Amino acid sequence: EAGVTQSPTHLIKTRGQQATLRCSPISGHTSVYWYQQALGLGLQFLLWYDEGEERNRGNFPPRFSGRQFPNYSSELNVNALELEDSALYLCASRRLRDRSFSNQPQHFGDGTRLSIL
Amino acid sequence: RKEVEQDPGPFNVPEGATVAFNCTYSNSASQSFFWYRQDCRKEPKLLMSVYSSGNEDGRFTAQLNRASQYISLLIRDSKLSDSATYLCVVNKRNQAGTALIFGKGTTLSVSS
Repeated sequence: EAGVTQSPTHLIKTRGQQATLRCSPISGHTSVYWYQQALGLGLQFLLWYDEGEERNRGNFPPRFSGRQFPNYSSELNVNALELEDSALYLCASRRLRDRSFSNQPQHFGDGTRLSIL
Repeated sequence: RKEVEQDPGPFNVPEGATVAFNCTYSNSASQSFFWYRQDCRKEPKLLMSVYSSGNEDGRFTAQLNRASQYISLLIRDSKLSDSATYLCVVNKRNQAGTALIFGKGTTLSVSS
């Protein structure tokens, strides 16, 4: 079974540009989560998508947005990039179609390392 | 108070040592708890779920104390390959839904 896949592996941008990060969940997983892991800050929850809808978002400005496609893959878009957006962006997926969803762990992709120059 | 708090360490132990990590969480309504492991510059990987009755997986034992809102991870007979950052994870439910909240992690370094 293929795991969560993310692309690109690395992305270099300059301030003010826009970045698009992509994620394909594990087959059968309907939920996709995005996290930012900046140096020394730990994993910060960004967005959660399930069945094509945004279910929850963390404490990030509106220039962080995304969407989930009918095949459950997802994009994270970051507009007006700032230097502090430099971080590892991790996508995770989870199966949410059964009643015990709250006990289902998340499975992470390798991440996209975004560097802002 | 942070939602999930862990001692960042680092914990430096010799091979064969027993080491324990602690984690506290602030949301008493949390229902799901996990320990993840993250190697340097790699993605987090699920180590084990934490159940109310406590659970063991080989050299790893996880405990949950709901009254104290406290989770622990015990590693026995430490191996060099156990060197990593261990993340305590708690689910958070609000009106919008549920999300997993990660602690900043505890770093373990096992030396020979």
